[in-house]
Amino acid sequence: QLQLQGSGPGLVKPSETLSLTCTVSGDSISSTSYYWGWIRQPPGKGLEWIGGVYYSGSTSYNPSLKSRVTMSVDTSKNQFSLKLNSVTAADTAVYYCARVIRTVAIFVTHWGQGTLVTVSS
Amino acid sequence: DIQMTQSPSSLSASVGDRVTITCQASQDIRNYLNWYQQKPGKAPKVLIYDASNLETGVPSRFSGSGSGTDFTFTISSLQPEDIATYYCQQYDNLPSLTFGGGTKVEIK
Repeated sequence: QLQLQGSGPGLVKPSETLSLTCTVSGDSISSTSYYWGWIRQPPGKGLEWIGGVYYSGSTSYNPSLKSRVTMSVDTSKNQFSLKLNSVTAADTAVYYCARVIRTVAIFVTHWGQGTLVTVSS
Repeated sequence: DIQMTQSPSSLSASVGDRVTITCQASQDIRNYLNWYQQKPGKAPKVLIYDASNLETGVPSRFSGSGSGTDFTFTISSLQPEDIATYYCQQYDNLPSLTFGGGTKVEIK
């Protein structure tokens, strides 16, 4: 049974860096059929794709966030990570880690439980 | 960037009603369109992929259609457990997976 468990601080100060990690269990992060993504949802609002990382380390980011985002993967720990720098209150959101299938179709197959990150001093 | 416009943003319908949600892409995305359901306090889950394919285990009252720029999501007979927000999502413009703004479905 695939599970994604996000972890990281729930409170980040403005201008600092938000750092989250997602631990994958029940499947290898090195599977070639998937890539691993981050999606966020501000309170009461819709979903925003942040970006994704392949097991090789290849990344793709939302152009609107690209200048502030870094994603990485650690295959030895079956984890992938998100860093978002220079955060403001607008970055307050539930951050979901996700597995994206990339075979016949491309869609999110599994989501983490979501981590609420609040940006506040 | 491709923009996805969903309508309506919310709707209220009775149990047993047919419910229809539309999603319009700002440019041709072929059939690269998925639909997700998000219940309050939960992560979304995929219902329909590639515009019209029902994900395994999803009830047959859910369906999708369309191609190009105009897509439709239908619940043939609304059930109380269908109360949720529904999102479309395109993947023609990889690597971005753009979501629509969502449609909140409530029971009248």
